[in-house]
Amino acid sequence: QKEVEQNSGPLSVPEGAIASLNCTYSDRGSQSFFWYRQYSGKSPELIMFIYSNGDKEDGRFTAQLNKASQYVSLLIRDSQPSDSATYLCAVNRHASGGSYIPTFGRGTSLIVHP
Amino acid sequence: DAGVIQSPRHEVTEMGQEVTLRCKPISGHDYLFWYRQTMMRGLELLIYFNNNVPIDDSGMPEDRFSAKMPNASFSTLKIQPSEPRDSAVYFCASRQGGTRQYFGPGTRLTVT
Repeated sequence: QKEVEQNSGPLSVPEGAIASLNCTYSDRGSQSFFWYRQYSGKSPELIMFIYSNGDKEDGRFTAQLNKASQYVSLLIRDSQPSDSATYLCAVNRHASGGSYIPTFGRGTSLIVHP
Repeated sequence: DAGVIQSPRHEVTEMGQEVTLRCKPISGHDYLFWYRQTMMRGLELLIYFNNNVPIDDSGMPEDRFSAKMPNASFSTLKIQPSEPRDSAVYFCASRQGGTRQYFGPGTRLTVT
């Protein structure tokens, strides 16, 4: 079982709708969680991070974390065609030397159609 | 800040040739990561350095791959000899402490 699981999609939503992206992880000791957006042919860029259970909002983006269920999600409100990209979930795991190293899911492709 | 710099951006080589990918991390960052991304396997961590010291290279696929970080501002990933299955996008990323990672633009490697 891969440590970080995401539905590969594509997830297709109409412009203006809410896009919901989900991620599950296997390491109960994970402490920090990240969402990266990757446009085709580009590198991943961080859009959200969350450490505590509950919701964290930043503009049109909301990250939700439930450590008991080992589940993290990203909601995008008022989706725009420019949101069309692959969204990577990353979960920090405790590694040797006391550092925290991210493990990435394979990403969910989001398509927002006009 | 110029961000993480990688070179070359594209590399096309023949099977059996040596390939060297280069990375300059963001100044002041103490962690450097090398990743490989393919459609089949997603983004895979190959190796990471802390303060120029390799910490975990368990993701390096085989002995044909090697990485060095001779100083805080430069790292290389070398493949010798290269094979067609090494074709992928290779990303370098850096960060300060346990904070967010910053990715370079990537090197698209094609081995024919």
